[in-house]
Amino acid sequence: GENVEQHPSTLSVQEGDSAVIKCTYSDSASNYFPWYKQELGKGPQLIIDIRSNVGEKKDQRIAVTLNKTAKHFSLHITETQPEDSAVYFCAASMGHDMRFGAGTRLTVKP
Amino acid sequence: DTAVSQTPKYLVTQMGNDKSIKCEQNLGHDTMYWYKQDSKKFLKIMFSYNNKELIINETVPNRFSPKSPDKAHLNLHINSLELGDSAVYFCASSQVAYAYNEQFFGPGTRLTVL
Repeated sequence: GENVEQHPSTLSVQEGDSAVIKCTYSDSASNYFPWYKQELGKGPQLIIDIRSNVGEKKDQRIAVTLNKTAKHFSLHITETQPEDSAVYFCAASMGHDMRFGAGTRLTVKP
Repeated sequence: DTAVSQTPKYLVTQMGNDKSIKCEQNLGHDTMYWYKQDSKKFLKIMFSYNNKELIINETVPNRFSPKSPDKAHLNLHINSLELGDSAVYFCASSQVAYAYNEQFFGPGTRLTVL
C-alpha cells in the first residue's frame, strides 16, 4: 500500500519568513496530493491540493510543487503569519484510499 | 451550518465498556470515513462507506464496527474498549469515493479509556 513520509516533524520560523514542508510517497499510481491544516482542537482542513498532471499550484501565500518522477511533493508558505501556526499534513491518494504523512507542527514566532 | 458534526466531543469511559460515536454530514456527500488520530497526531483511516457499502476496512480490530443508517450518517461502535483505543476519532466525508475529492473533517471525538 501507499506510504507517505513527511519532513520535518517540527518547524519554527520567524514571522515573515518562508516555510517549506516536504513529503515523499511510494505508490506511483497515486494521483491526488492534498495538504491539510489542523488547528488545535479542530479537524484537518484542506488548504491546497494538486493533481498528478500538474507540477505546481499556487494560492496566494501557499504553493505546492509535485515531482512525479522523484515521487515527492512540497508545501511552501511565504510571508508566514502567527495564524499559520498549526499542524500540517500531506496526503497521497489513488481512488478512495488516502494516506497521510505524520504531520509537521509549524510555529510562527511574532 | 456545521458540515460534518460528531457527538460526543469528549468521551471518557472504563475498559471493557461499549460505546458509540455519531457522525452526520449535511453536504449531500456519497462517502463517509472514520479516522483515528493517536497521541503523536498520526492520522490513520479506519473505514469508509459509499452508499451504505463498506469500501475500505483497514486492519482494524473487529471490536470496531461502522454503522450507516443512511447516506448522511456513519456511526462508530466500539465494543470491549481497551486502553489503546484512547485517541481522537475523526469522521470525514467526500462527494464521491475516488480521487480528486476533498475530504471534509468533523471536529473530532476525544476518547479516553481508563
